[in-house]
Amino acid sequence: SQQGEEDPQALSIQEGENATMNCSYKTSINNLQWYRQNSGRGLVHLILIRSNEREKHSGRLRVTLDTSKKSSSLLITASRAADTASYFCATDTASKLTFGTGTRLQVTL
Amino acid sequence: DSGVTQTPKHLITATGQRVTLRCSPRSGDLSVYWYQQSLDQGLQFLIHYYNGEERAKGNILERFSAQQFPDLHSELNLSSLELGDSALYFCASSFLSTGELFFGEGSRLTVL
Repeated sequence: SQQGEEDPQALSIQEGENATMNCSYKTSINNLQWYRQNSGRGLVHLILIRSNEREKHSGRLRVTLDTSKKSSSLLITASRAADTASYFCATDTASKLTFGTGTRLQVTL
Repeated sequence: DSGVTQTPKHLITATGQRVTLRCSPRSGDLSVYWYQQSLDQGLQFLIHYYNGEERAKGNILERFSAQQFPDLHSELNLSSLELGDSALYFCASSFLSTGELFFGEGSRLTVL
């Protein structure tokens, strides 16, 4: 079963635009993480936000966490064609890291 | 390169057979996680080992089993294979039992 669900399922934008992906989850968490996956490859960790944090930045990435709404968002600013990939949120609970359904991001030139 | 090694990269087998997937975690990492990724089920958590002990279990079928050895490598055994077991199986490792995971490139299993 999926703990998190991403929205939208797919997103197509032009290079230079911002991309926002949302994640909703069901239970209390220790932390929430975002990962990226290029087609058929292993997932790559992007950023981790702890349950007591509300916002975190890393380069062109901005993550927010609202534990009262059990939701998180990932913002990629000034997107590039190389950002084309699937993005997953993952919730860390009791030694389990459970992934959401993912958002497929397509960045066109 | 994440430092996590999975073998084999590709495996084709028949229904009813048994296969073993192997994972070598990053040097120094004590935790190993196994995931199954298929088109219809997404990325499913199977099991988590920490320093040789099972820490958490997910949607792992009874036909599947795993273990982590004293040298910290892990194996996932899949038996009585069915067509629906065809998927990409990922191993991931981390130093602690929580935090950032480092993923291998996966083992693609095709059951015919």
